[in-house]
Amino acid sequence: TQLLEQSPQFLSIQEGENLTVYCNSSSVFSSLQWYRQEPGEGPVLLVTVVTGGEVKKLKRLTFQFGDARKDSSLHITAAQPGDTGLYLCAEPSNTGKLIFGQGTTLQVKP
Amino acid sequence: NAGVTQTPKFQVLKTGQSMTLQCAQDMNHEYMSWYRQDPGMGLRLIHYSVGAGITDQGEVPNGYNVSRSTTEDFPLRLLSAAPSQTSVYFCASSPQGAAPIYGSPLHFGNGTRLTVT
Repeated sequence: TQLLEQSPQFLSIQEGENLTVYCNSSSVFSSLQWYRQEPGEGPVLLVTVVTGGEVKKLKRLTFQFGDARKDSSLHITAAQPGDTGLYLCAEPSNTGKLIFGQGTTLQVKP
Repeated sequence: NAGVTQTPKFQVLKTGQSMTLQCAQDMNHEYMSWYRQDPGMGLRLIHYSVGAGITDQGEVPNGYNVSRSTTEDFPLRLLSAAPSQTSVYFCASSPQGAAPIYGSPLHFGNGTRLTVT
């Protein structure tokens, strides 16, 4: 079974700081999705990365897929309180399942 | 546009009781799934369905049953509730042919918070 490890588990920073969260796998990803979940709601897709070395940007969020497709990172520049939430990486399997990592809880203090 | 609707939002059960968590989507999505979310463990897949009449097990299926008689509905049944099933349950859907493996997003409901005492 594919294992997705996310780090760190918890991150508490001040508004304006930069941060990076990581998602690593025990084997090669087919593709990878990043979701954000706010309290009391379901996760919402941020991005899908497919190609090794791919970089995608979503405003202040930069997503990178490792060259060997065994890791991915999410970098947030100048974090805002609105970025607070649970960040989850997830990998689709070829049987149709979507398997999630345990998540990184981010708190951005004003 | 309602999207994915889960009912109830909150439920308290006694050990041994049974109940059904309802999930309905109005987007004509073929793929539907159930997850449970526990602190520090992310989302774990319970059961999923790639279309009406087809269901399959996920990572943690024990103690849960599902059926998919229509495209719109995918109920999750707890046969005999146990305290270990205390969790937040999420239903999610995705269009067929654009299932998660193809990069299509899962559309999530807002969850059912279940407590078993």
